[in-house]
Amino acid sequence: DADVTQTPRNRITKTGKRIMLECSQTKGHDRMYWYRQDPGLGLQLIYYSFDVKDINKGEISDGYSVSRQAQAKFSLSLESAIPNQTALYFCATSPGDRQYNEQFFGPGTRLTVL
Amino acid sequence: GENVEQHPSTLSVQEGDSAVIKCTYSDSASNYFPWYKQELGKRPQLIIDIRSNVGEKKDQRIAVTLNKTAKHFSLHITETQPEDSAVYFCAARASGTYKYIFGTGTRLKVLA
Repeated sequence: DADVTQTPRNRITKTGKRIMLECSQTKGHDRMYWYRQDPGLGLQLIYYSFDVKDINKGEISDGYSVSRQAQAKFSLSLESAIPNQTALYFCATSPGDRQYNEQFFGPGTRLTVL
Repeated sequence: GENVEQHPSTLSVQEGDSAVIKCTYSDSASNYFPWYKQELGKRPQLIIDIRSNVGEKKDQRIAVTLNKTAKHFSLHITETQPEDSAVYFCAARASGTYKYIFGTGTRLKVLA
């Protein structure tokens, strides 16, 4: 089945380290998103991309950067990780050819910054 | 800026009772409103959605209503079952964009 995958699924790192979270999809979708989930705060949008040439900041982009290497791959980087970036990170995709689009989420990456 | 408020944050109901979760959005240009269910340790999954040109939509035990004038929409679950226990998120998307704003989630517990 076509799916959205994320690697790694869990990561523990130290303050100041550079971290990359990767997202791949076999759904053939154009639109890709990175969200952060904290308890009681829902899903907050970090970055989103319509295609490989289109990158947009979301609500909480400070401290993060992204790269859309191909239609199927969208990576999230933390250049210098800090403890308050400890959270559950989700990648999501949606098709680009309909006006109303369901989002399909990956399994999530649990990141802990010590 | 754009905002979606969701209430309540937690909800406990007896099995067989109904549950209602409410969301209010700020952007009057919003025209698409999905609801996602997230079971413990799992990814969010779409359970129902509604477009702005429709006032109500139903799918078996789940229904969503939309009041555009008041800018609020609600999820209704009837005859609740233990497997309905999860966190539910509402979201809103403005016309002409593909950016979704999510509510803060409601943890629903169905007590057997």
